[in-house]
Amino acid sequence: AQKVTQAQTEISVVEKEDVTLDCVYETRDTTYYLFWYKQPPSGELVFLIRRNSFDEQNEISGRYSWNFQKSTSSFNFTITASQVVDSAVYFCALSEPGYSTLTFGKGTMLLVSP
Amino acid sequence: DAGVTQSPTHLIKTRGQQVTLRCSPKSGHDTVSWYQQALGQGPQFIFQYYEEEERQRGNFPDRFSGHQFPNYSSELNVNALLLGDSALYLCASSYEVGLAGGADTQYFGPGTRLTVL
Repeated sequence: AQKVTQAQTEISVVEKEDVTLDCVYETRDTTYYLFWYKQPPSGELVFLIRRNSFDEQNEISGRYSWNFQKSTSSFNFTITASQVVDSAVYFCALSEPGYSTLTFGKGTMLLVSP
Repeated sequence: DAGVTQSPTHLIKTRGQQVTLRCSPKSGHDTVSWYQQALGQGPQFIFQYYEEEERQRGNFPDRFSGHQFPNYSSELNVNALLLGDSALYLCASSYEVGLAGGADTQYFGPGTRLTVL
C-alpha cells in the first residue's frame, strides 16, 4: 500500500525567510510519480510539480525548489524568500503508473506573516 | 481554456437525503476522479471514471456512486447521507495515457462544500 507522510502540521515564518516542507513516502512500486499541490483558502488544489521515480534531479522554478532522494524516500519542497501569498496548505502526493490516482499526505499549513 | 468546473459550490443537506455533485473536466481531458477531503485532512480517493465506466475505486461504501457522460463530464451521487459525509468534494481531470504510459497530472476543480445536518 502507498503512504505519504508530512510530519509538519503547521509552519509559521516571517516574510523573506526560507522554508522547507518535508515529505516522506512509502511504495512497493519501482515506478511511481510524486506531486506537490498548493491549496489556498479558496479550496482549489493547484498543481505545482510532478516528478517520476527515475528522475532524481532536483528542480528549481523561481522561488520554488524540490529535492527528490530515493535513498531516503523523500521529496522535499523549499520556498526561498517566502511571501505572504505563499500562505496555504501544501500537499505531497504519490501516484502509481497508469491510473493516475493520488495518495495524499495530510498536508502542511504554511503561514507567512509580514 | 476552461479549467475543471464543479457545481454547486456549496450544499446543505440533512441526514438520510441524497445528493448529486457535478464536474466538467478540463478541455482535452477524458478521465475524471473524485476525492473527499474532510476538514484538516488530505483528499481521499473515491473513484475514477474513464470511458463512462468506473475503473478504480477507493475505500468508500456503495452509497457513493457516480457516472460519466459521453462528453466526459461526471456526477457523484451520495445516498443516505451521514453526518460524516460533510466534506469538500473535489473533482480532478486528467488525460488517459494508458497503463504503460505513466500517470498524467490531475488538475482539480474548486470543489463542492457539502454540509450534512
